[in-house]
Amino acid sequence: NAGVTQTPKFQVLKTGQSMTLQCAQDMNHNSMYWYRQDPGMGLRLIYYSASEGTTDKGEVPNGYNVSRLNKREFSLRLESAAPSQTSVYFCASSAGTTPEQYFGPGTRLTVT
Amino acid sequence: GQSLEQPSEVTAVEGAIVQINCTYQTSGFYGLSWYQQHDGGAPTFLSYNALDGLEETGRFSSFLSRSDSYGYLLLQELQMKDSASYFCAASDSSYKLIFGSGTRLLVRP
Repeated sequence: NAGVTQTPKFQVLKTGQSMTLQCAQDMNHNSMYWYRQDPGMGLRLIYYSASEGTTDKGEVPNGYNVSRLNKREFSLRLESAAPSQTSVYFCASSAGTTPEQYFGPGTRLTVT
Repeated sequence: GQSLEQPSEVTAVEGAIVQINCTYQTSGFYGLSWYQQHDGGAPTFLSYNALDGLEETGRFSSFLSRSDSYGYLLLQELQMKDSASYFCAASDSSYKLIFGSGTRLLVRP
C-alpha cells in the first residue's frame, strides 16, 4: 500500500498562474483533508471532504478550490497564485471515525 | 477564536524524560491528539486523548485535563531520533483538527 500520495513534490509558479495539486489514498478512507504549513508554524486546514461528494471550508479557504473526484482522490486548485500562497501543502486522509490522520509527503510550492 | 499554545522549543539530554505542554481554547472540543514531524517529513500520529487521564504507548504518554483545558506529551528514555517537532491538535466530534504551532524538541547526546 502506498498510503497517501501527492503530486508534484515541488513546484514554482509565477504570480497569477494556476495549478492543481493532486492527492490520492489507497486506504479506503472516507475523509480527506488539505493543509498548508508555513515555516515554523502548525498546519492550517484549507478544505476537507468528510465523504465522497462533499467538501467544506476549513480555516484558510480563500484563494483555493477543491474537488473530491472519487473516494480515492482529492485535488486542490490555486486559480491565481499569490506569493502569500508559498507554503508546504499536505494532503491527509482518515477513516473519519477515529482521530488518526495519515499524511502524504507534501508539495513544496513557491510563488514568485 | 480557537487556539492552542505550546512552547516553541525544548532541549533535553539523551536518556532523559521531557514533557511538552499544550493549552487549548477551542469550541466543540472533543479530544486532543499529538503528532510528530521530522524536518522535511510529514506529520505522523502519536496519540489521542478523549477522556481525562494518561494514555501510554511505549515510551510516549499523553495526558488530558478537560477542566484545565490542558494536555501534555511525555517522552521517556529520549533517543536522538526523537529530535523533531511535536504538535498538539484539538478535534471536534467529526475529528476535524486544529493544530498548535508546534514544539521543536532537540535531543542532545
